[in-house]
Amino acid sequence: DIQMTQSPSTLSASVGDRVTITCRASQSISIWLAWYQQKSGKAPNLLIYEASTLQSGVPSRFSGSGSGTEFTLTISSLQPDDFATYYCQQYSDHSYTFGQGTKLDLK
Amino acid sequence: VQLVQSGGGLVQPGGSLRLSCAASGFTFSSYWMSWVRQAPGKGLEWVANINADGTKKFYVDSVKGRFTISRDNAQNSVFLQLNSLRDEDTAVYYCARVVAPFDTWGQGTLVTVSS
Repeated sequence: DIQMTQSPSTLSASVGDRVTITCRASQSISIWLAWYQQKSGKAPNLLIYEASTLQSGVPSRFSGSGSGTEFTLTISSLQPDDFATYYCQQYSDHSYTFGQGTKLDLK
Repeated sequence: VQLVQSGGGLVQPGGSLRLSCAASGFTFSSYWMSWVRQAPGKGLEWVANINADGTKKFYVDSVKGRFTISRDNAQNSVFLQLNSLRDEDTAVYYCARVVAPFDTWGQGTLVTVSS
């Protein structure tokens, strides 16, 4: 099975900061990677798919990059609404594995 | 596009439960569907997928032989039958539409396995 490893597990930042979260796959997944945002008590929300395609309605301050085994999610200028937990997910095979999550909190 | 879940609750170890997810706003019979769970305070775990006509099913290793995903395209619903439940199955369970890969999610339903 494909394993997904996110880093860091926790990230403290301030409004206006530029932040980057990394996700690594245990084997190549081409571009079959998605990023989600989840707020406490809510279902996850799809932000990016195919590694770099922004889901409709998601603000342009979110961007994704990478291919193969290494991927990044970047938020260009943090807004108050962005403090949440972020997950990557591979969908290269039928075991749609998630990373363990990165909690983004206010410094 | 909406997914509305029902079922869930408190069940003893070894017991069974059936979760339902009713879809609306899209042509349900054209889409793969999935179940994802999240244990309290933990991350997301994909549980199972089913293809559009219900002939292909995939499961995470930890639930194989105990959980069964199914669907009724006439009723626009997907189901997850949970048998031989264990403490570690305690989680919020979400259904999701498989588009890119999960573009729409249900509201989640809590399953608590405890004696």
